[in-house]
Amino acid sequence: DVKVTQSSRYLVKRTGEKVFLECVQDMDHENMFWYRQDPGLGLRLIYFSYDVKMKEKGDIPEGYSVSREKKERFSLILESASTNQTSMYLCASSSRTIDRYFGPGTRLTVT
Amino acid sequence: AQKITQTQPGMFVQEKEAVTLDCTYDTSDPSYGLFWYKQPSSGEMIFLIYQGSYDQQNATEGRYSLNFQKARKSANLVISASQLGDSAMYFCAKPPYSGNTGKLIFGQGTTLQVKP
Repeated sequence: DVKVTQSSRYLVKRTGEKVFLECVQDMDHENMFWYRQDPGLGLRLIYFSYDVKMKEKGDIPEGYSVSREKKERFSLILESASTNQTSMYLCASSSRTIDRYFGPGTRLTVT
Repeated sequence: AQKITQTQPGMFVQEKEAVTLDCTYDTSDPSYGLFWYKQPSSGEMIFLIYQGSYDQQNATEGRYSLNFQKARKSANLVISASQLGDSAMYFCAKPPYSGNTGKLIFGQGTTLQVKP
């Protein structure tokens, strides 16, 4: 009954590394999202995609880019990881209804 | 920008008692929806309940209900008969504007601990 999967639950990277976070959904949803979760701030939207190769910036896109080459896959890229990008990253997908599904999250630590 | 506010960073409740988690929001949209999610320590976000702004009745899903007061722009989550498994973080969320792109803005979250 898996719906949204993320490539890693825990990830440790060094400052300056290029980091890829992968998200895959099996529900044929048009919309996919990347959120960042920090204590006291809730979830903040980084990027979202409403179709293949289509993307739109969220509230905190700086330092991130995304790729959506196939409908089921949405990748978040940290071009040059920094310590302030240490956080929990959550992927989500939705159709044109109220249904939204979240992945299990990736806890990224940048040292 | 629209904002969701959850003023209770942490809450305690005794097992089997009811608890209310607060959520207020600002919006000028005539039509909108409100969501509550539960996030256990495992990290996944679990959808709990949805309220449409034009729904005549307050939403109810099992032990979860919404105390929706549109004029006050509040949508408090009520959990009845708390269970130990209810210990988790709870988020209130809504779309930032009308039209269903699937985007959500979230409150800061409330951590609920249920005591045996």
